[in-house]
Amino acid sequence: DAGVTQSPTHLIKTRGQQVTLRCSPKSGHDTVSWYQQALGQGPQFIFQYYEEEERQRGNFPDRFSGHQFPNYSSELNVNALLLGDSALYLCASSRGGIQETQYFGPGTRLLVL
Amino acid sequence: AQKVTQAQTEISVVEKEDVTLDCVYETRDTTYYLFWYKQPPSGELVFLIRRNSFDEQNEISGRYSWNFQKSTSSFNFTITASQVVDSAVYFCALSDMNTGNQFYFGTGTSLTVIP
Repeated sequence: DAGVTQSPTHLIKTRGQQVTLRCSPKSGHDTVSWYQQALGQGPQFIFQYYEEEERQRGNFPDRFSGHQFPNYSSELNVNALLLGDSALYLCASSRGGIQETQYFGPGTRLLVL
Repeated sequence: AQKVTQAQTEISVVEKEDVTLDCVYETRDTTYYLFWYKQPPSGELVFLIRRNSFDEQNEISGRYSWNFQKSTSSFNFTITASQVVDSAVYFCALSDMNTGNQFYFGTGTSLTVIP
């Protein structure tokens, strides 16, 4: 049973560029959440996708956007990258219900120079 | 407002010692869920336990045990007879009816088990 997968594992970008991160949920899961984890901090909720729509959003600017595909996989897009966007980006999948356990992928480490 | 506090930033123990990781939470909801995750150096958060607010029974899973006390808003995690493989960052998280699907994480406790 495959767990949550994310790609790429590492990424280096420069300020002002745009980046797309990808996530495939665990088998049987239909909900994908994205988190940003800065060094030495706990993960911060960006948003959650369910039935191809953004169901809930955390306190992140509109530069952060996402998409969910019919096969439940998801993308996170960040435009106009800032140095402060350097972080580990974690994808988590769960079943559709509220407060279900979220299972995390290995993350994508983004460095913005 | 929802908040999770893990006051212990770093803990070091010698192998085979017991260690308790503290977690204090804040929420106004009566229905909520608490979680513990382990994050090894590889970065992936590994799910350990989920507990709802109506179930105050302590839970034991092998060398791991959890003590949930609503009276003190705490959900502490104890590792018995620690092993080097337990070295990781441990996060406590909260999800309540108000926040729905959003998990609030603490800042984590970095545990080092010395052989």
